[in-house]
Amino acid sequence: TQLLEQSPQFLSIQEGENLTVYCNSSSVFSSLQWYRQEPGEGPVLLVTVVTGGEVKKLKRLTFQFGDARKDSSLHITAAQPGDTGLYLCAGARGSNYQLIWGAGTKLIIKP
Amino acid sequence: DTGVSQNPRHKITKRGQNVTFRCDPISEHNRLYWYRQTLGQGPEFLTYFQNEAQLEKSRLLSDRFSAERPKGSFSTLEIQRTEQGDSAMYLCASIRGQGSYEQYFGPGTRLTVT
Repeated sequence: TQLLEQSPQFLSIQEGENLTVYCNSSSVFSSLQWYRQEPGEGPVLLVTVVTGGEVKKLKRLTFQFGDARKDSSLHITAAQPGDTGLYLCAGARGSNYQLIWGAGTKLIIKP
Repeated sequence: DTGVSQNPRHKITKRGQNVTFRCDPISEHNRLYWYRQTLGQGPEFLTYFQNEAQLEKSRLLSDRFSAERPKGSFSTLEIQRTEQGDSAMYLCASIRGQGSYEQYFGPGTRLTVT
């Protein structure tokens, strides 16, 4: 059972388009993180959201944490080929510092 | 801050051989995690350490896998009698702890078992 469901699993769009990927759960998380991973490399942390309803922006990327802290979204405006990668969300629960990981959204931006 | 390093980056081995991977975390980070990742999937938790203590090990982890973190610094992950199903990317991550859940990953070790 996947505690964090990411959708879509795969997305291929043209450069300049906008997109949103989702990370959903029936569980409440104390915080949620988004990572981007390129082929052959480890995931790189993009952002951490902590407060329900929180919105954070990182250049063309907008991250939102759901009011109930069960879900999150990542919106990319005017996607560029450099945005290509595997986007992973991970939620924190409890005090053991373990993260619950989604399976990822593979994003391809075509020039 | 030199980041998390892992060695080797790639390992090709024959089925039945033993392999050992090394992870050097960020120096002030007291928690260290090992994950396994197959293509296009999220990281699968294997085990983690707080300082030198191994606090949890995945129930899915075979007895062929063992990890150590002597002196609470670098860590090693050993796989004995490798099988083709062990082929994957093995990732190491460290966190500062003390309220921070943000994990910093190394570049991974790609294992291919032939």
